Amino acid sequence: LAKTTQPISMDSYEGQEVNITCSHNNIATNDYITWYQQFPSQGPRFIIQGYKTKVTNEVASLFIPADRKSSTLSLPRVSLSDTAVYYCLVGVPIKAAGNKLTFGGGTRVLVKP
Amino acid sequence: EAQVTQNPRYLITVTGKKLTVTCSQNMNHEYMSWYRQDPGLGLRQIYYSMNVEVTDKGDVPEGYKVSRKEKRNFPLILESPSPNQTSLYFCASTPLTGADYGYTFGSGTRLTVV
Repeated sequence: LAKTTQPISMDSYEGQEVNITCSHNNIATNDYITWYQQFPSQGPRFIIQGYKTKVTNEVASLFIPADRKSSTLSLPRVSLSDTAVYYCLVGVPIKAAGNKLTFGGGTRVLVKP
Repeated sequence: EAQVTQNPRYLITVTGKKLTVTCSQNMNHEYMSWYRQDPGLGLRQIYYSMNVEVTDKGDVPEGYKVSRKEKRNFPLILESPSPNQTSLYFCASTPLTGADYGYTFGSGTRLTVV
């Protein structure tokens, strides 16, 4: 499984855009990049998944450069309720090979008023 | 509402007293998994199941058992709990066919073994 590296923590202010970059230098050809959000005392929640270029949904955008050795999760105009830990995961999707995803330490994002 | 339900939410027990944490999902997902979360260690997979009667070890299976007799249920069994199993436990599920929306996690079970 590809190892991921992401910042331990980030601070931001309400209304700002937050960008979290994850490094995954050893990503394999079949690996996807998935991001989860976790609030205190709750289970992680799926945010977004992508393979290359850009993916956008109602919550976030995911930017993946051509070499796929890194990815950036972008949260537009954050609010206090976006304060959470964000996990970057790299691996083969479950349905492709039954492989598990490995959660690293995550990035603790604190949104200030 | 589509969800993964874990019970109990909180549990304090004594060393050696067998316990079961239940997990049930109502989404007809084939894949289910148990994780534990400890400070500084992130989430680590304990066991997973690809379908009924199919289970396999994750990264930290020692001291745990699971069963998958029905598609919706995936209980986690601690035959002889020890203090190092004090942790926050999450059950999760995902479909193996159709669109990929990642895992759906339960709300967690905070276990303390004294």
